[in-house]
Amino acid sequence: AQSVSQHNHHVILSEAASLELGCNYSYGGTVNLFWYVQYPGQHLQLLLKYFSGDPLVKGIKGFEAEFIKSKFSFNLRKPSVQWSDTAEYFCAVKGNDYKLSFGAGTTVTVRA
Amino acid sequence: DTAVSQTPKYLVTQMGNDKSIKCEQNLGHDTMYWYKQDSKKFLKIMFSYNNKELIINETVPNRFSPKSPDKAHLNLHINSLELGDSAVYFCASSQDVGNQPQHFGDGTRLSIL
Repeated sequence: AQSVSQHNHHVILSEAASLELGCNYSYGGTVNLFWYVQYPGQHLQLLLKYFSGDPLVKGIKGFEAEFIKSKFSFNLRKPSVQWSDTAEYFCAVKGNDYKLSFGAGTTVTVRA
Repeated sequence: DTAVSQTPKYLVTQMGNDKSIKCEQNLGHDTMYWYKQDSKKFLKIMFSYNNKELIINETVPNRFSPKSPDKAHLNLHINSLELGDSAVYFCASSQDVGNQPQHFGDGTRLSIL
């Protein structure tokens, strides 16, 4: 089974600052990678996904993520955050066992 | 139109009771899931059904029993509720067991008194 670790538990930043959230996974086989966002009191929504091809993937709301196979990483980035980006962010990995494994989540607080 | 809908949204009950949470998806997906999100926001898969057949059954107490009457529905029944069952339970669905993203419901917040 795969495991997923997110480096930051809580990130606090100001509007217009750049955001990078780390995600590493442990799994030797082919993986599919996802970032989900959970706004306060809401369900999880897909931000972006990587299956194959270009390791730099672009998602909704200006987010992007880069898959670096040699580092087993899939970090999420946004060049300039807004107050509305305040949310919980989850990295998730799916291997060959049908299971989607989530990281512990990173709480992002954007101050106006 | 809600894609994945769960009822109820909130459930407050006493220890020892039996309760059910219902989930329905109108996306035409083959695969459905139940997740538990604890107080630290950690999400863990509990069960998954593909075309009404159980394919994932994690280490979950057998007080928890999923039921899938058809591929659009996956209900979760919990017997003899315990304090540790307090959590938010999310239902999700995906096209199939492959790599398509999962779509999540709004969650059911279960509080045990």
